[in-house]
Amino acid sequence: NAGVTQTPKFQVLKTGQSMTLQCAQDMNHNSMYWYRQDPGMGLRLIYYSASEGTTDKGEVPNGYNVSRLNKREFSLRLESAAPSQTSVYFCASYRGDTYNSPLHFGNGTRLTVT
Amino acid sequence: QKEVEQNSGPLSVPEGAIASLNCTYSDRGSQSFFWYRQYSGKSPELIMSIYSNGDKEDGRFTAQLNKASQYVSLLIRDSQPSDSATYLCAVNRNTGGFKTIFGAGTRLFVKA
Repeated sequence: NAGVTQTPKFQVLKTGQSMTLQCAQDMNHNSMYWYRQDPGMGLRLIYYSASEGTTDKGEVPNGYNVSRLNKREFSLRLESAAPSQTSVYFCASYRGDTYNSPLHFGNGTRLTVT
Repeated sequence: QKEVEQNSGPLSVPEGAIASLNCTYSDRGSQSFFWYRQYSGKSPELIMSIYSNGDKEDGRFTAQLNKASQYVSLLIRDSQPSDSATYLCAVNRNTGGFKTIFGAGTRLFVKA
């Protein structure tokens, strides 16, 4: 059982380039999330999808777009990367039918924008 | 004011001691509470969850919740060097859409 799979694990972009971070879960979870983690800042929510076909902004959505392609997949797109988007990105999924379920995380993508 | 606040630390305790980690939250509509452990370069992993006021024990870990004071804590008994990590407090709430909000984390060092 793979859980939550993120690709790529590492990426270096030049300012202005675009890329898509991929995330897939095989736990039949309803909800999926994208977080970024910067030193001393904890995990900050970028976008989330409560269910297939819906997406909502989190705390720090500027500069990002998302697509909930189907129940399994939730991608994060950087249209024009900026150095401020250098961070570690985590995708997570959640059952979504009870408050008492935790998040399940992928292994993260370490992105550097030069 | 951040929605979930933690002391960033670092908190340093000797091996075998009790480590006490604290967290406060601002949204009274918060429903459930979690502690995640994160080793350097790794993803967060769940170690404790708590939903009702009081204490919840699991091995060397005890989570404490006081909804009136909007306070969550984690006690680690008999701390081991392998407990050295960042501990993230997280809160599930349904205000403005269901989401999980994290604190900035507390770094814990357990000295052998």
